Amino acid sequence: AQSVTQLDSQVPVFEEAPVELRCNYSSSVSVYLFWYVQYPNQGLQLLLKYLSGSTLVESINGFEAEFNKSQTSFHLRKPSVHISDTAEYFCAVSEAGGFKTIFGAGTRLFVKA
Amino acid sequence: EAQVTQNPRYLITVTGKKLTVTCSQNMNHEYMSWYRQDPGLGLRQIYYSMNVEVTDKGDVPEGYKVSRKEKRNFPLILESPSPNQTSLYFCASSLSVYSGNTIYFGEGSWLTVV
Repeated sequence: AQSVTQLDSQVPVFEEAPVELRCNYSSSVSVYLFWYVQYPNQGLQLLLKYLSGSTLVESINGFEAEFNKSQTSFHLRKPSVHISDTAEYFCAVSEAGGFKTIFGAGTRLFVKA
Repeated sequence: EAQVTQNPRYLITVTGKKLTVTCSQNMNHEYMSWYRQDPGLGLRQIYYSMNVEVTDKGDVPEGYKVSRKEKRNFPLILESPSPNQTSLYFCASSLSVYSGNTIYFGEGSWLTVV
């Protein structure tokens, strides 16, 4: 069975600084990987996902994540964050060919002025 | 606009008083599910449905019921709510059961059981 661990529960960072939100997964088969974002008082929405192909995937608002099979990781990065990036970020994994998606516990990103 | 709509958004109820949280999606999605979100635990799946009249238990089904009589609707029923069911609940849907599909979430329902 797959599992996912988000290594940081909270990440405070100053505006315009770079940020990395860490995610590690465990699975015995091929996986799909996702990052979802939850802005205050809203539901989760997809930020980006890796299904196959290039291991580096990007979102429209400047985030990127790299699938690292040897490290079983899918860390989320942004070179320069904005106040508006303040949200909770969830890493998720599902087994290719399966139907269950497992979510991590979430990482709260606080961007300070 | 494509969306998942759940109601009520906020509810305070008393122990033992049956309640239903409604969920509706307008994307003709086959797959729907309910999650609860608790601090430090992330999202845990309560029940899911692969299609009309097909439902199954998720990871934390105790104390909950669901039904899927129509493709667009997937209500969550708490027959006898207890304080440990105080949580933030999300309804979600995706095109099919295929694990690579994007999951679309409702805005959440805050439930407090006193």
